[in-house]
Amino acid sequence: GAVVSQHPSRVICKSGTSVKIECRSLDFQATTMFWYRQFPKQSLMLMATSNEGSKATYEQGVEKDKFLINHASLTLSTLTVTSAHPEDSSFYICSARVPGTGHYTFGSGTRLTVV
Amino acid sequence: AQSVAQPEDQVNVAEGNPLTVKCTYSVSGNPYLFWYVQYPNRGLQFLLKYITGDNLVKGSYGFEAEFNKSQTSFHLKKPSALVSDSALYFCAVRDPSSSNTGKLIFGQGTTLQVKP
Repeated sequence: GAVVSQHPSRVICKSGTSVKIECRSLDFQATTMFWYRQFPKQSLMLMATSNEGSKATYEQGVEKDKFLINHASLTLSTLTVTSAHPEDSSFYICSARVPGTGHYTFGSGTRLTVV
Repeated sequence: AQSVAQPEDQVNVAEGNPLTVKCTYSVSGNPYLFWYVQYPNRGLQFLLKYITGDNLVKGSYGFEAEFNKSQTSFHLKKPSALVSDSALYFCAVRDPSSSNTGKLIFGQGTTLQVKP
């Protein structure tokens, strides 16, 4: 089946540094990928929609300069958390719509801890 | 605006008993509805979807869901629960009449606890 590979699964970084999270579609092309943030035992909050070859669309209240999204190819989208602070600690999940199926596949998530 | 509601934070059932996890939605136009399951520190796994056709949708791991347009519901069911079904369940909707982004809107999630 269609798989989205997300790396790293877990990262700890110091406050003020930047962290890059990658999502790759392994056996299909994803012109659009979605980035979500999830707090413990809460729902997924859509942060932005990344579009291959164009600028990402950010949801209201999400700082685009803080959460940089790049979708440079049909199989790779990246989310960079810049100048990370402890309040950015969260679980980040990417997703892509699987062509021809009508449904969406999700990465395994990245647990970011900023210390 | 489209929205999804899961009225129960947690559902507890005994192993072998039937389970129901509730979901109601509000969209303009015909909805695309989904159920996903999430295990701790993992991404979401697709269970089933309704786009068109039969109101009763069968999905993975013995789960099924019934689309009820008059009640705007899409409850998830399973005839006989397993302890391994214990997880966090999300209902989601995509409004096909929305822009071509096709983004999903998720419910709050329901934790299912199946006790031996």
